[in-house]
Amino acid sequence: EVQLVESGGGLVQPGGSLRLSCAASGFTFRSCWMHWVRQAPGKGLVWVSRINPDGSNTDYADSVKGRFTISRDNAKNTLYLQMNSLRAEDTAVYYCIRDPVDGRRAFDFWGQGTMVTVSS
Amino acid sequence: DIVMTQSPDSLAVSLGERATINCKSSQSVFSSSTNKNYLTWYQQKPGQPPKLLIYWASTREYGVPDRFSGSGSGTDFTLTISSLQAEDVAVYYCHQYYSVPLTFGPGTKVDF
Repeated sequence: EVQLVESGGGLVQPGGSLRLSCAASGFTFRSCWMHWVRQAPGKGLVWVSRINPDGSNTDYADSVKGRFTISRDNAKNTLYLQMNSLRAEDTAVYYCIRDPVDGRRAFDFWGQGTMVTVSS
Repeated sequence: DIVMTQSPDSLAVSLGERATINCKSSQSVFSSSTNKNYLTWYQQKPGQPPKLLIYWASTREYGVPDRFSGSGSGTDFTLTISSLQAEDVAVYYCHQYYSVPLTFGPGTKVDF
């Protein structure tokens, strides 16, 4: 059974940092692109970042470029999102998502999400 | 960036009736090299993460009921629920995976 379990969310002050983790199981993690998508309270879905299977290629939304860093440890089956210089507008549920290698270009499994609140 | 729009913002449909949601992209999401439209539909129920319904604009994900169907090509797409069930109450999002940054539509809330 595919499982994606996010952790690391919480309350942080503006300008602070947080590192999210996503523990993956039930599939060949090292073969999949992985993404982070966020959803502010009561709002829609916003793509944040993606990383290729071996970690050599990453992409970011303009709103987080230069502040967030996506990475992965294939030996630990874990995806990360390092978030620096956090702003109030980064407040959201952050979802870890699997992007399967079958060419569908679709997000077939989502974690339950971890809440990040940026507030003083 | 490809901007995704959806209409309507919300709709109320009687149980057993048809629900139709439209999605439009500001640029084509059709790839001539693969002959695929990289347009996906997700369903999100309150308090849950989104669930994949349709990919390649019209291919149902495994396990999705056949009352859900997708159509369209290029820039104009439609999600149809042929006979609304109570469990279909949710927000539906379209999404393009043609080019980075990946983008979602604003969502359509479906109720009865």
